[in-house]
Amino acid sequence: TAGITQAPTSQILAAGRSMTLRCTQDMRHNAMYWYRQDLGLGLRLIHYSNTAGTTGKGEVPDGYSVSRANTDDFPLTLASAVPSQTSVYFCASSDSRINEQFFGPGTRLTVL
Amino acid sequence: GQNIDQPTEMTATEGAIVQINCTYQTSGFNGLFWYQQHAGEAPTFLSYNVLDGLEEKGRFSSFLSRSKGYSYLLLKELQMKDSASYLCAVMDSNYQLIWGAGTKLIIKP
Repeated sequence: TAGITQAPTSQILAAGRSMTLRCTQDMRHNAMYWYRQDLGLGLRLIHYSNTAGTTGKGEVPDGYSVSRANTDDFPLTLASAVPSQTSVYFCASSDSRINEQFFGPGTRLTVL
Repeated sequence: GQNIDQPTEMTATEGAIVQINCTYQTSGFNGLFWYQQHAGEAPTFLSYNVLDGLEEKGRFSSFLSRSKGYSYLLLKELQMKDSASYLCAVMDSNYQLIWGAGTKLIIKP
């Protein structure tokens, strides 16, 4: 069982360009999440989805958008990247919003 | 505002015991989680406390006092592979996890 996969593993992106980070889980979890992790800070929630077809904003949603067309996939899009979006991005999923979250391996994004 | 505090870094000796503290102030409380994160890897779940008291799981134990807004993670019989960051996270009234910055644990032989 793969669990959660993310792609790409890492990316260097020019400022102003758009990019979609992919996340797929095979555990049939209802809830999915996108976090960013920056040095010296805790994980910060960008967007979440409690079930397919619904999404919500987290703590730091500006500059990011998500969609949840089906249970397995939860892509994160940066419409016009800025250097402050340089970070490690983790996708996570959980069976329900109160259960422990399982994390993907992360995407290291550098915006220049 | 919501806040999770934990020490930035701790050092311990192989075979010893270490306690990592976490204090929190959040809007609502729906449980406290501890995760382990090795450098360059994803966080992995260690424990969950929603009621006061001690939860033991092998070499790891986690304690919660809701009235004090306090938790600790206790690691016994430390091994070199325990060198990692330990993340404390509280689930708030909106069922969102609020994360501490993590405690980097360094194990020395």
